Parts: sequence; C-alpha cells; structure tokens
Amino acid sequence: DAGVIQSPRHEVTEMGQEVTLRCKPISGHDYLFWYRQTMMRGLELLIYFNNNVPIDDSGMPEDRFSAKMPNASFSTLKIQPSEPRDSAVYFCASSLGGGGTEAFFGQGTRLTVV
Amino acid sequence: KQEVTQIPAALSVPEGENLVLNCSFTDSAIYNLQWFRQDPGKGLTSLLLIQSSQREQTSGRLNASLDKSSGRSTLYIAASQPGDSATYLCAVRLNQAGTALIFGKGTTLSVSS
Repeated sequence: DAGVIQSPRHEVTEMGQEVTLRCKPISGHDYLFWYRQTMMRGLELLIYFNNNVPIDDSGMPEDRFSAKMPNASFSTLKIQPSEPRDSAVYFCASSLGGGGTEAFFGQGTRLTVV
Repeated sequence: KQEVTQIPAALSVPEGENLVLNCSFTDSAIYNLQWFRQDPGKGLTSLLLIQSSQREQTSGRLNASLDKSSGRSTLYIAASQPGDSATYLCAVRLNQAGTALIFGKGTTLSVSS
C-alpha cells in the first residue's frame, strides 16, 4: 500500500478563498483523522471518522471548517473562507480498528493563506 | 483534560552518544502510547507503539518504556547517528477504543558528526 496520500502537498491561497484538502487513507482502515500542526500549538486533532461517520469534531476551530468522508477511500477538509491564521500544516492519518493499533500519517499539506 | 509534555524541547549530542527523550502525561488512564519521528517538512513516521499493558518495546537501536502509574514514557536511542536528527513526538490514546492521539510538542534532536 502507498500509505496515506494527501493532496495537494502545498497550497498558497488568498484570504477569503475556499481551500479543499484531500486525503486517501490506507485501504481497509476504518478510522480517519485530520490534524493541524503549528509551531505555537503543535499537533491538534480537528476531527475523526469511523466507518465514514464523523465521531468527534470538537477540534474544528469554527464554522469555516468542514470535513466530509463520502466513502471509505476519500476524505476532504474544506476551509471557506480562508484566513491567514489558518496557515499551518494539515495532516491526515488512518488506522485499522480501535485504539489499540498504530496510526499512520500522510505527508501533510502545507497551507499558506496570504 | 489529558496533557502531554516532552522535555527537553531541543537536544544536541555528538555522534555515538546514548540518549533518552522524555514524555509525561497527566492522566494515567491511557490505552496506548506511540512514538513518532518527524523530519523537517515531512510527515510523521511511527517508531514504536506501546500498549497500556506493556512495559517496553524495542526496534533496532530504539527502546521505549512506559510507566503508566507515574505517567511517563522514555525513548532510548543507542549509539546515536547524524541520521537520527529529527523531531521526536510522543502521543497517547485515551482509555477508549477509537479515540484520537493527543500529542506532545516534541523534542528536536540534533546529532553532530
């Protein structure tokens, strides 16, 4: 398996624009996580899914952020409208089964909002 | 609320030295603990996963220990090499199946040749 695949790797956008980040989890994994990493706050969980259903979205900063998982092999994280403070690296991770298993991370999307 | 702390934030050592990275967590009721490595501009690579019932895990030159009762884990790196230079993150999963990882802010290691 190619691992968790995220796209794009880098995104530069202007404030106010819509941004969509994409993630393909490892085939067969039933948990998918979205994290955000900044220098100040480190890695923070935004939302996670189990079998395509959102389980905990308490980390989503505000209504400008939304995430979907239409099927087991694809998820999106959308920011609309984007703001400079959204600039960060966004990671997607997946795991098989519950909490006893390893989480595998994608390479991340570096988002810059100018 | 579970908090994960890693000390020191940065560490510089000469090649060949054995070293220990520390991770502490405030709530001992964890499900497991995972150590990751992150290279600059890259994603996270899983190094070791320790279940709550285990005391340690080993992989090559790496050994991770877990003391749940005291809320601590250590990552021991033997005979460090310049290629070990990276940021090392520990993360805990709470005592509930399927919950997400809670991360420390990491220790940035620099190994000089």
